[in-house]
Amino acid sequence: KAGVTQTPRYLIKTRGQQVTLSCSPISGHRSVSWYQQTPGQGLQFLFEYFSETQRNKGNFPGRFSGRQFSNSRSEMNVSTLELGDSALYLCASSQGSSGNTIYFGEGSWLTVV
Amino acid sequence: ELKVEQNPLFLSMQEGKNYTIYCNYSTTSDRLYWYRQDPGKSLESLFVLLSNGAVKQEGRLMASLDTKARLSTLHITAAVHDLSATYFCAVEEDQGGSEKLVFGKGTKLTVNP
Repeated sequence: KAGVTQTPRYLIKTRGQQVTLSCSPISGHRSVSWYQQTPGQGLQFLFEYFSETQRNKGNFPGRFSGRQFSNSRSEMNVSTLELGDSALYLCASSQGSSGNTIYFGEGSWLTVV
Repeated sequence: ELKVEQNPLFLSMQEGKNYTIYCNYSTTSDRLYWYRQDPGKSLESLFVLLSNGAVKQEGRLMASLDTKARLSTLHITAAVHDLSATYFCAVEEDQGGSEKLVFGKGTKLTVNP
């Protein structure tokens, strides 16, 4: 079956702009999480959605937001982009119960110039 | 706040040798994940360890979990070049059903011929 699909895979934005990243989870998965990966900070949790509700949120400023749709697809948005937002953004999906395998997508590479 | 420490962060080993990567974490959890990441790629799930004493093996990799010691190990047996990658452990933070993962900084493994 298809894995976690993220779009776009690569994008370049200018400081001050906003960006929306999309994630389609594995069919049947109801939980979608987002992570930011940078060389300096490593992998950091952004937020998790389950059945359209945000279940948890990491320590990121309010410029980072997300949502989940009724078909479990999710989007995350970053407004007023800063150079430090350049990162690999990874989406993960699972069935939503603790201890399930959590599968990651290929990621969206965001460069802010 | 849950903290996850991996060591070593860099590991260069010869083909055919054995070695162990250690993952310590700071608060109680009995759900631990191991992932592999190749350069420029996403995270590939290796193991999910769900209880004290859990041991899982796949090929040349074996992972174990000691929840009392808050320690997981990833043992590599008779390393081959194809195992060169970065390995991450991640601990599921107990937050009321949320699947937030806290990652270690990763161990970059290089297997030399």
